Amino acid sequence: NAGVMQNPRHLVRRRGQEARLRCSPMKGHSHVYWYRQLPEEGLKFMVYLQKENIIDESGMPKERFSAEFPKEGPSILRIQQVVRGDSAAYFCASSPTPTGAQYFGPGTRLLVL
Amino acid sequence: AQSVTQLDSHVSVSEGTPVLLRCNYSSSYSPSLFWYVQHPNKGLQLLLKYTSAATLVKGINGFEAEFKKSETSFHLTKPSAHMSDAAEYFCVVSVGFGNEKLTFGTGTRLTIIP
Repeated sequence: NAGVMQNPRHLVRRRGQEARLRCSPMKGHSHVYWYRQLPEEGLKFMVYLQKENIIDESGMPKERFSAEFPKEGPSILRIQQVVRGDSAAYFCASSPTPTGAQYFGPGTRLLVL
Repeated sequence: AQSVTQLDSHVSVSEGTPVLLRCNYSSSYSPSLFWYVQHPNKGLQLLLKYTSAATLVKGINGFEAEFKKSETSFHLTKPSAHMSDAAEYFCVVSVGFGNEKLTFGTGTRLTIIP
């Protein structure tokens, strides 16, 4: 059983461009979580999704950030008009149930120039 | 609201000696508690999980943690450190109600001295 997959692993964008981060959960997992890790900090919760639904987006910035988890395909975290402060590692986790342990992907490291 | 405090940002121990990484939590409800490990430029791996069963939890790679409600602590220990244990360790708390949103501590960097 493959683990949580994230791509790309590294992403470089210039200020004002869009960043699209993808997460494929483990097989059989329908719950996906996105976290952001700023340098020298712990992970901060951003959003929790189930298939086709956003359950909790209390950690998402109000502007420029959006997330989806369509019926088919990976979950997408989209950042529009990126700024230097968006530079961070973005981790996706999945679980089989709402209360199951979360399994993390390797992360996408976003660098905004 | 829930939170965790990792009392040491850096810990250094000699190979073969015990490891103690300290964590205190705050939660209004019965929490679930976790320890995750992150090796450089890698994702996070679950070491162990406490969910109101036995208070002494055994994890992978010889690690264990003890839940002490009276002290609101969940310290991580290992009897004998190995070079491969060098990594960043995160103490994590969550409160259920159908949404296991995890709250992370700021991490403890463990260095192993040969």
